[in-house]
Amino acid sequence: AQSVTQLGSHVSVSEGALVLLRCNYSSSVPPYLFWYVQYPNQGLQLLLKYTSAATLVKGINGFEAEFKKSETSFHLTKPSAHMSDAAEYFCAVSGSGNQFYFGTGTSLTVIP
Amino acid sequence: EPEVTQTPSHQVTQMGQEVILRCVPISNHLYFYWYRQILGQKVEFLVSFYNNEISEKSEIFDDQFSVERPDGSNFTLKIRSTKLEDSAMYFCASSQQGDYNSPLHFGNGTRLTVT
Repeated sequence: AQSVTQLGSHVSVSEGALVLLRCNYSSSVPPYLFWYVQYPNQGLQLLLKYTSAATLVKGINGFEAEFKKSETSFHLTKPSAHMSDAAEYFCAVSGSGNQFYFGTGTSLTVIP
Repeated sequence: EPEVTQTPSHQVTQMGQEVILRCVPISNHLYFYWYRQILGQKVEFLVSFYNNEISEKSEIFDDQFSVERPDGSNFTLKIRSTKLEDSAMYFCASSQQGDYNSPLHFGNGTRLTVT
């Protein structure tokens, strides 16, 4: 079975500061991991995905995530937050069949 | 860039009524999905659909729910005899392939409110 846990339902950072959104996964098979972003009144948009090719994955809008098997983590980072980054972020895992399992989401607030 | 479109954006219905949520997946995608998100909770998988039949469904997807691809472009979710707890945001998604490597493309969702 697969699942993800997102630590921190709300994260606030100052504009220009580092963004770190945490995700830990549980999977009985090699996982495929994803980060999605949801802007207000919009659907989920793929930020990046890990599919075992490289442990450091770069996505859109300057985000990246590192797969750490020893820590069962896939944390999302961005060196410098921008006001437009304010959104809900979801970590997801899939590994068998075509089901994706999502976390509860982390709401990112960027303070000017 | 092609996108998944969902209508309506907001649906209000009375308890016990039937609703149909509509989706137009990306045209060259073969796999279609419905997810839902109850306010403050996880995005939950409901059902996946391929080749005109359900390929997987969750425990949530009971006899109250059904899906259909009535023509070459639409993909619908029908909820019969709605309950208060069906109030949620319902997301349609599609993917080119059905494997775990193929990301989902989501629509903007339909907010269903059952009163």
